[in-house]
Amino acid sequence: GAVVSQHPSWVICKSGTSVKIECRSLDFQATTMFWYRQFPKQSLMLMATSNEGSKATYEQGVEKDKFLINHASLTLSTLTVTSAHPEDSSFYICSATRQGATDTQYFGPGTRLTVL
Amino acid sequence: QKEVEQDPGPLSVPEGAIVSLNCTYSNSAFQYFMWYRQYSRKGPELLMYTYSSGNKEDGRFTAQVDKSSKYISLFIRDSQPSDSATYLCAMSDKVYGQNFVFGPGTRLSVLP
Repeated sequence: GAVVSQHPSWVICKSGTSVKIECRSLDFQATTMFWYRQFPKQSLMLMATSNEGSKATYEQGVEKDKFLINHASLTLSTLTVTSAHPEDSSFYICSATRQGATDTQYFGPGTRLTVL
Repeated sequence: QKEVEQDPGPLSVPEGAIVSLNCTYSNSAFQYFMWYRQYSRKGPELLMYTYSSGNKEDGRFTAQVDKSSKYISLFIRDSQPSDSATYLCAMSDKVYGQNFVFGPGTRLSVLP
């Protein structure tokens, strides 16, 4: 159990467009979902934490108007990169904690975003 | 001082070797300790989870936590080329998972 999926697995878009990434917990209800970005050969950088039905909490330096997070249900969170630019190209990974067992994060497979 | 320190490697070992991966931390409130394995261009996969001090074994993997020294380890016995990945330690201080901290990861290469 504790499977997290992401869609799409990779996306290429033009500069100035918006891209939506979905994160789903397939076999459990996720109390909290986290969004990370990861540059090549670097560690995970937490962008924001979201709880179902609440506004996301963004880490310092992360623009909330650029990275829109919606957590509409206990199994789905979306990250929308608005007006994407080449410097937004990165590997975006979500994770989730299970309802009732929130001490461990389970990660999705990641989404590779390339902005041309 | 960073909250979690981990040697980034790369660490190269021959197949069959015992691998030791380590993290040190500064926050004595951490109680939950995890090791994740991340293959290139994939999301991290939970390998081991331990609570407080002690050892935990799962197959070829052993996790150790020494809270008095603020030091955690992951040992891999009989290492295989398929173990080549980046290993991330992680820890949290709250049951409700709101304060996770990840180490930067150690890149491991197991050479056939």
